[in-house]
Amino acid sequence: EPEVTQTPSHQVTQMGQEVILRCVPISNHLYFYWYRQILGQKVEFLVSFYNNEISEKSEIFDDQFSVERPDGSNFTLKIRSTKLEDSAMYFCASSELRQTFNQPQHFGDGTRLSIL
Amino acid sequence: QKEVEQNSGPLSVPEGAIASLNCTYSDRVSQSFFWYRQYSGKSPELIMSIYSNGDKEDGRFTAQLNKASQYVSLLIRDSQPSDSATYLCAVKIEYGNKLVFGAGTILRVKS
Repeated sequence: EPEVTQTPSHQVTQMGQEVILRCVPISNHLYFYWYRQILGQKVEFLVSFYNNEISEKSEIFDDQFSVERPDGSNFTLKIRSTKLEDSAMYFCASSELRQTFNQPQHFGDGTRLSIL
Repeated sequence: QKEVEQNSGPLSVPEGAIASLNCTYSDRVSQSFFWYRQYSGKSPELIMSIYSNGDKEDGRFTAQLNKASQYVSLLIRDSQPSDSATYLCAVKIEYGNKLVFGAGTILRVKS
């Protein structure tokens, strides 16, 4: 069964450094997402991306964050200057169609980001 | 603020019993409802989706939706120890595609 793949599985970074998290969505999916989950807390929406542009973002997704689809398969989340509070599990998800509201989102295994 | 509320649990049921998990949501224009299972340290795994009032069955799982009461539930029949996990309720509103998650209910199935 097709799946969303994320790399790396664990990233350790010094505070203030830039980090890039990578995702390969399911191949026929057109809508991509990033969520995060701080340890012991809810899964929180960060951003959605369709047709090479951001379609929606949350208050968490400030100027330190950016997303990009650099080629036909990868989808990346960049955090420019990491803070301690950015430590979390980051999940990439994808879904098939934008306009059909009932398309489920399929999640990757996540990248655990640890900021020291 | 659009909220999704779940009882944090833990909900403990004996093996073979029915586990009943509940979720309420605050936004009346919510259209799509999803149940995800999350094992400790792992990613959310889609179990069920439901969009219309009533029941939807898939194997041992039944999702129930009541839009008037803003309530969605998940029943797990013949619960197995492998069902022990956190169950996340997620809601998608009519406009936009983001999911709003509840905090999850911890289910423990005892053999």
